[in-house]
Amino acid sequence: NAGVTQTPKFQVLKTGQSMTLQCAQDMNHEYMSWYRQDPGMGLRLIHYSVGAGITDQGEVPNGYNVSRSTTEDFPLRLLSAAPSQTSVYFCASSTPSVAGANVLTFGAGSRLTVL
Amino acid sequence: SQKIEQNSEALNIQEGKTATLTCNYTNYSPAYLQWYRQDPGRGPVFLLLIRENEKEKRKERLKVTFDTTLKQSLFHITASQPADSATYLCALEDPGTYKYIFGTGTRLKVLA
Repeated sequence: NAGVTQTPKFQVLKTGQSMTLQCAQDMNHEYMSWYRQDPGMGLRLIHYSVGAGITDQGEVPNGYNVSRSTTEDFPLRLLSAAPSQTSVYFCASSTPSVAGANVLTFGAGSRLTVL
Repeated sequence: SQKIEQNSEALNIQEGKTATLTCNYTNYSPAYLQWYRQDPGRGPVFLLLIRENEKEKRKERLKVTFDTTLKQSLFHITASQPADSATYLCALEDPGTYKYIFGTGTRLKVLA
């Protein structure tokens, strides 16, 4: 049981390049989400999904795309990277526990630098 | 929009003392509130959840309180140890939206 797996762990991009951050979970969780973490800003929600085929925007969705074709995978795509997207990205998943409360399980993070 | 504030960016305490971290929220009435721990270079890890109808929750040396009138949660670590040094985050769900909102965190350092 690996939990939430993120790849790559580190990535350096040039402005304008595109890339995909991968996220996979093996816990059969319905809910998956992507956050970015910047100094002094905390974790900010980018996109989330409540199940395969369903995605929605979070607080800071601009410049990012997501899709959810399977329960297990939730990739985050940067279409044209900008220096402002330099950050640490975390994927999280959850499933409702008793009485509907969701507890998030996070991946180890992906550190992205855009030059 | 709702906002979560954790009052201290950093907190240093002596080993053996009780650490108290504060989480305040506005414009919101959450059904529950969560606390996570984050170590450098790692993702947050869930610690405790407290519901709106619970005043206090304990787990080993950890205690969380929840005051819905003050819109505040307090997180206590008793008999603190250097291994407790980490960043602690509070989080709540925007009800019915599946959006989980996090505070900026408090970086705790326990001095030996």
